[in-house]
Amino acid sequence: EDKVVQSPLSLVVHEGDTVTLNCSYEVTNFRSLLWYKQEKKAPTFLFMLTSSGIEKKSGRLSSILDKKELFSILNITATQTGDSAVYLCACRSYSGAGSYQLTFGKGTKLSVIP
Amino acid sequence: DAGVTQSPTHLIKTRGQQVTLRCSPKSGHDTVSWYQQALGQGPQFIFQYYEEEERQRGNFPDRFSGHQFPNYSSELNVNALLLGDSALYLCASSLAVGVTTNEKLFFGSGTQLSVL
Repeated sequence: EDKVVQSPLSLVVHEGDTVTLNCSYEVTNFRSLLWYKQEKKAPTFLFMLTSSGIEKKSGRLSSILDKKELFSILNITATQTGDSAVYLCACRSYSGAGSYQLTFGKGTKLSVIP
Repeated sequence: DAGVTQSPTHLIKTRGQQVTLRCSPKSGHDTVSWYQQALGQGPQFIFQYYEEEERQRGNFPDRFSGHQFPNYSSELNVNALLLGDSALYLCASSLAVGVTTNEKLFFGSGTQLSVL
């Protein structure tokens, strides 16, 4: 059974801090790893990673994938209160006949206090 | 350009009842996936619809069924509701590329189902 494990499950930091969120996985027929931000209800797409060692950046957020050690990290620098959310890691795997499946972790709840 | 829309936003049912949730995909998308997200958990894949057929199914009982219409909108039906079915039900849409689905899913805001 495919498994995606995120850590920590929750985190409280002060504005301006830098945080690192972790995601490890055991997935058959792995194709890519995706990060989503879930503020209220709808998860919004952050990054998709398919190759090891290539950092993806978007403003203060960055992420990298290690396909040998089967993990990814999401870094957020100079955190702001607007970064408070649940961050979801998901692995996309091929399940045959042109179909793919996303397996999500439980998420990391980040709270940024002023 | 409307994103993924779901209705209703909230729903309260009692055990044993049946429920239907609805989803309209993002404009231009043809594939709809449904996820169940229990409190404190990540979304769990229920099933995916493409070309009006169930293309793939997660580990959910037959009480969970769905449908996709010619305009690509979709319904999720749950029969014989259990307390454990209380969750946020998310719909996600994507565009198939040939016979495979694009990587990037767009999610709706979900339907919060409470079973009493």
